[in-house]
Amino acid sequence: EVQLVESGGGLVQPGESLRLSCAASGFTFRNYWMSWVRQAPGKGLEWVASIKQDESEIYYVDSVKGRFTISRDNAKNSLYLQMNSLRAEDTAIYYCARIMVRSFDCWGQGTLVTVSS
Amino acid sequence: DVVMTQSPLSLPVTLGQPASISCRSSQSLVHSDGNTYLNWFQQRPGQSPRRLIYKVSNRDSGVPDRFSGSGSGTDFTLKISRVEAEDVGVYYCMQGTQWPLWTFGQGTKVEIK
Repeated sequence: EVQLVESGGGLVQPGESLRLSCAASGFTFRNYWMSWVRQAPGKGLEWVASIKQDESEIYYVDSVKGRFTISRDNAKNSLYLQMNSLRAEDTAIYYCARIMVRSFDCWGQGTLVTVSS
Repeated sequence: DVVMTQSPLSLPVTLGQPASISCRSSQSLVHSDGNTYLNWFQQRPGQSPRRLIYKVSNRDSGVPDRFSGSGSGTDFTLKISRVEAEDVGVYYCMQGTQWPLWTFGQGTKVEIK
């Protein structure tokens, strides 16, 4: 069974940093593009970042460029999101998602990031 | 960026009756490879999103056949043939044609009358 389990969320103050992790199991992680997608409280879904199997291609939504860094460790079947200079508008549930057929076919349960003073 | 617009944003439905959600894109979603990468997701209350439909009309494994997707170019539709209680939630369309700049619709909240 495919599983994606996020961790690392929490409450931080504006300007601080946080690192999210996503542990993958049930599939050959190194064969797939992976992404982070977020959802602000009571709002819709927003794609945040994506990374190719070998990290040779990485993409971000404009609002996080220069502040967030996506990475992966294929040996550990893990995906990461380093978030720096956090802002109130980054408050959201962050989902790890597998990419299949140019879409997100499997999602984790999400981890909540709250940016507030 | 491709803008995805859903309607209606709220859809009260009667159990056992059909329901339909529209999704329009600001530009054609036909990719140069000939495919149209339009997807539908369901998010039940308190749960993570779940993909229902990919490439306009292909149902994911385990998705009931009462869900169907159709459309072409810029206009797409998700239909539920007979709404069941477990179908309550928010439905999102999403384009993958302009990879890797995925964009979602605003979401349509389906509730039981």
